[in-house]
Amino acid sequence: KNQVEQSPQSLIILEGKNCTLQCNYTVSPFSNLRWYKQDTGRGPVSLTIMTFSENTKSNGRYTATLDADTKQSSLHITASQLSDSASYICVVSADSNYQLIWGAGTKLIIKP
Amino acid sequence: NAGVTQTPKFQVLKTGQSMTLQCAQDMNHNSMYWYRQDPGMGLRLIYYSASEGTTDKGEVPNGYNVSRLNKREFSLRLESAAPSQTSVYFCASRSTGSGNTGELFFGEGSRLTVL
Repeated sequence: KNQVEQSPQSLIILEGKNCTLQCNYTVSPFSNLRWYKQDTGRGPVSLTIMTFSENTKSNGRYTATLDADTKQSSLHITASQLSDSASYICVVSADSNYQLIWGAGTKLIIKP
Repeated sequence: NAGVTQTPKFQVLKTGQSMTLQCAQDMNHNSMYWYRQDPGMGLRLIYYSASEGTTDKGEVPNGYNVSRLNKREFSLRLESAAPSQTSVYFCASRSTGSGNTGELFFGEGSRLTVL
């Protein structure tokens, strides 16, 4: 069964600290992996899209990594800011019919 | 740019009532989607439309119908609402990308409560 699992479920860190969120997936055939940020009460917003051949991709203070062999991805946030408080969702795309398998997300809280 | 616009933002229904959620995008995208989001779960696809004039079932279509009115608009209808349909509903449209990498753009969500 195609699944995306994220850890931790929630995380609290102090402003200015770094953090890493994890995503493990069992999706086949794999097409691409996405990370979304969802602020409370808003729709998800794309951070990165990574294809099979990409190991690392950055978007400002966000860096995503992908290990297609172990089927793992991580999202690293550097020098966290209060505005980073949100849910971060890992999404894996399977084959070419645009089926997306969504993780349940990691809720990140940044404290001053 | 407005992007993807959903209405209404909030709605309370009684069991058995019907309603339609409206969605419009101004990005000239071919593909549009309706998802539902429930606490502790990933987004689940209800219906999608790959292009004007076509619609297909997603993961959880039961109890819903859709209409792709034109390229801009994609509506979701609940014919006889049930408490299990209490959820946050998101409409999205997708840009064209190489292979399967088109970007998804979401609306702000419609929060539906069925009593």
